[in-house]
Amino acid sequence: LAKTTQPISMDSYEGQEVNITCSHNNIATNDYITWYQQFPSQGPRFIIQGYKTKVTNEVASLFIPADRKSSTLSLPRVSLSDTAVYYCLVVPRMDSSYKLIFGSGTRLLVRP
Amino acid sequence: DAGVTQSPTHLIKTRGQQVTLRCSPKSGHDTVSWYQQALGQGPQFIFQYYEEEERQRGNFPDRFSGHQFPNYSSELNVNALLLGDSALYLCASSLEGGQFFGPGTRLTVL
Repeated sequence: LAKTTQPISMDSYEGQEVNITCSHNNIATNDYITWYQQFPSQGPRFIIQGYKTKVTNEVASLFIPADRKSSTLSLPRVSLSDTAVYYCLVVPRMDSSYKLIFGSGTRLLVRP
Repeated sequence: DAGVTQSPTHLIKTRGQQVTLRCSPKSGHDTVSWYQQALGQGPQFIFQYYEEEERQRGNFPDRFSGHQFPNYSSELNVNALLLGDSALYLCASSLEGGQFFGPGTRLTVL
């Protein structure tokens, strides 16, 4: 099972771009990189998923280099409401039976 | 379409008691997974149900058991509660691919 490593915490200010990097050195060929966001006392919420290069949606961008051993979640122009814990996971994309393995995540604090 | 729902929202029990938590999956989802999240930690996988059977299990004692009903809803039962069982219990449902989480049940064991 691939293990991910990400910073424990990050601080930012409103309006700035935030980049959270995740290492996954043992990622398997059929694994996708997936990011979840979690607010206090709520369940994790899916943000974005990618396999290689770059993926962008209305919430974030995900950059994945060719070797796929790391990835970077980019949050453009953060607001106070982006304060949350962000988890990086590697999962087989279409395997609904896969048990998600969460680390401790990155606690992002956005200041005014 | 309602997402994943869980009940109750909060629960307070004393050591030694038993508790049952409930989960209704997202419409059409046939797989339900349960996770335990201690304060300050990421969610930890407890077990997963599919076709009314436990398909896989994480590293949790037999005090933790579950059930899935024909309508895909699920229950998590914990017997002989310990102080360390205090946590947020999350249910996630899936069909093909991504898992969608409910809001969780906050269990406090005194």
